[in-house]
Amino acid sequence: DIQMTQSPSSVSASVGDRVTITCRASQGIGTWLAWYQQKPGQAPKLLIYTASSLQSGVPSRFSGSGSGTDFTLTISNLQPEDFATYHCQQADSFPYSFGQGTKLEIK
Amino acid sequence: QITLKESGPTVVKPTQTLTLTCTFSGFSFSTIGVTVGWIRQPPGKALEWLAVIYWDDDKRYTPSLEGRLTITKDTSKNQVVLTVTNMDPVDTATYYCAHRQSGVRVFDIWGQGTMVTVSS
Repeated sequence: DIQMTQSPSSVSASVGDRVTITCRASQGIGTWLAWYQQKPGQAPKLLIYTASSLQSGVPSRFSGSGSGTDFTLTISNLQPEDFATYHCQQADSFPYSFGQGTKLEIK
Repeated sequence: QITLKESGPTVVKPTQTLTLTCTFSGFSFSTIGVTVGWIRQPPGKALEWLAVIYWDDDKRYTPSLEGRLTITKDTSKNQVVLTVTNMDPVDTATYYCAHRQSGVRVFDIWGQGTMVTVSS
């Protein structure tokens, strides 16, 4: 199985800041990487697919990049509604494993 | 508009079999490319991909639970059923079903999830 490792596990930031979250795959996955946002008590919401494609309806302050084994999710101009947990998922080979999550907290 | 909703027991005893049903609307397994999957999340822990079923009845399971998982579909009822045998307290989790976006292999629409506790 492909292992997905996110860093940091948690991060504190303020409204208006720019934040970057990293996801590393244990082997190359091309650009088969997705990012999800999850708020407490809610299901995950798809933000980014194929590493850098923005899902319809997701604000443009969210962006993704990377290929192979290293990927980043960047959130620019943080808004109050962005404080949540973010998960990466590889979709290169079964099982389509997830990272352990990164909790974005208000500073 | 695509929606999915999970249903099933909230509590099961150790060694019992869990049966969860995902009832959806807004799409059909009669359409080529349609895929539905199950994912779970223990309290405070990471998401875990469990299984998917395709419009042509092909199936994939996570190896860590293969042998205990069965995924089936009922096209006429717009339902997907996941069974998990020999439940254990470590299987306590919120179980989600989700629609997989065709061509990009990601889950674009998720159900609200159903919390299942394994306890005697």
